[in-house]
Amino acid sequence: AQSVTQLGSHVSVSEGALVLLRCNYSSSVPPYLFWYVQYPNQGLQLLLKYTSAATLVKGINGFEAEFKKSETSFHLTKPSAHMSDAAEYFCAVSDHAGGTSYGKLTFGQGTILTVHP
Amino acid sequence: NAGVTQTPKFQVLKTGQSMTLQCAQDMNHEYMSWYRQDPGMGLRLIHYSVGAGITDQGEVPNGYNVSRSTTEDFPLRLLSAAPSQTSVYFCASSRGTVNTEAFFGQGTRLTVV
Repeated sequence: AQSVTQLGSHVSVSEGALVLLRCNYSSSVPPYLFWYVQYPNQGLQLLLKYTSAATLVKGINGFEAEFKKSETSFHLTKPSAHMSDAAEYFCAVSDHAGGTSYGKLTFGQGTILTVHP
Repeated sequence: NAGVTQTPKFQVLKTGQSMTLQCAQDMNHEYMSWYRQDPGMGLRLIHYSVGAGITDQGEVPNGYNVSRSTTEDFPLRLLSAAPSQTSVYFCASSRGTVNTEAFFGQGTRLTVV
């Protein structure tokens, strides 16, 4: 079974500082990987996804993630944090479809990002 | 441009009561799913559907039923609510290929007392 582990349930940064949210995956086949963001009292929305076309993936709001097969990692970064980035971030891996199964998403535990002025 | 709509947004149930959480999408997506979100545990899959008339269990299906009579709707039924089912529930839909974006509803916050 595929799984993801997010290191650090809470990350706190100052406004303007680098954001680094860590995600490691476990998969026996090349994975489909995603980062989702959840703002307070809202549903999840897609930040970016790994499509195997490029190891460095750019997403919305200045976020990007780098796929490193040797480290089984897909860490999320942003060079300069904004107050509006405060949210919970989820890394997710998708199964490969087969038969009536489809790409079910398995989520990590989530990382709450706090941005201080 | 509704996307995925969940109702109600909030609900309080007494132990043993039953209820249905509604989910509707207007994007003609084949695939729909229900997750529950609990602190420190991320989102866990309850049930999912790959099309009208086809459903299957996810990671935590006990105590929940689903059906999919139309492409648009995917209701989640709690048969006999228990305090352990206190959670935030999210419905999601996607086009159905493995590497496509899932669209989420705003969630239903359920408290069972």
